[in-house]
Amino acid sequence: QSVLTQPPSVSGAPGQRVTISCTGNSSNIGARYDVHWYQQLPGTAPKLLIYGTSNRPSGVPDRFSGSKSGTSASLAISGLQAEDEADYYCQSYDISLSGSTVFGGGTKLTVL
Amino acid sequence: QVQLVESGGGLVKPGGSLRLSCAASGFAFSDNYLSWIRQAPGKGLDCISYISGSGNSIYYADSVKGRFTISRDNAKNSLYLQMNSLRAEDTAVYYCATENGGFCSSTSCPLAWGQGTLVTVSS
Repeated sequence: QSVLTQPPSVSGAPGQRVTISCTGNSSNIGARYDVHWYQQLPGTAPKLLIYGTSNRPSGVPDRFSGSKSGTSASLAISGLQAEDEADYYCQSYDISLSGSTVFGGGTKLTVL
Repeated sequence: QVQLVESGGGLVKPGGSLRLSCAASGFAFSDNYLSWIRQAPGKGLDCISYISGSGNSIYYADSVKGRFTISRDNAKNSLYLQMNSLRAEDTAVYYCATENGGFCSSTSCPLAWGQGTLVTVSS
């Protein structure tokens, strides 16, 4: 059972917009820790997609955006493309677990 | 640029032991926390252990406490995970990870990852 909660799957047609939620509590996201998002393709290590809740590393398209409110965060992907089909994970830290890194359970994005 | 390279994975019988290594470069090794994160087949990411730069602060998830030991050698820029009393449920890809310093915010840093090493526990 993951500390952060994500929907197991989301889907959308090419060109559409989808959002992936990441829900925590007062010990992690609500403790004002930033949220980071990763994209994982099959057989590869996670790739940094969004850092500091809403910032994109260079090379990440501006179709990807992040936000946070209270104890939850969201990743939005607009203008869906076939290559966006992947697993997405949110990550934060948790003061009740000695500051350990915590993850969401992951969300499988299917592009219809 | 942060580079992390894991090694030491393989097939081991239940109850057996294995030692993973992670060779690091591209950052001030002794300043950084380092973590072992695992991913069971078809499952999500799970941080099982971390160690501070000095080695004085160590965390273990309950699932591995008493069986796994994390350590580091700052002179060799290397991180280790000694895994004893292995169980079938320890089967996973094990990633070495550290703070990705180029992207830190005021409250936290995202992670930089190695490519992972597969550990399979089976008779």
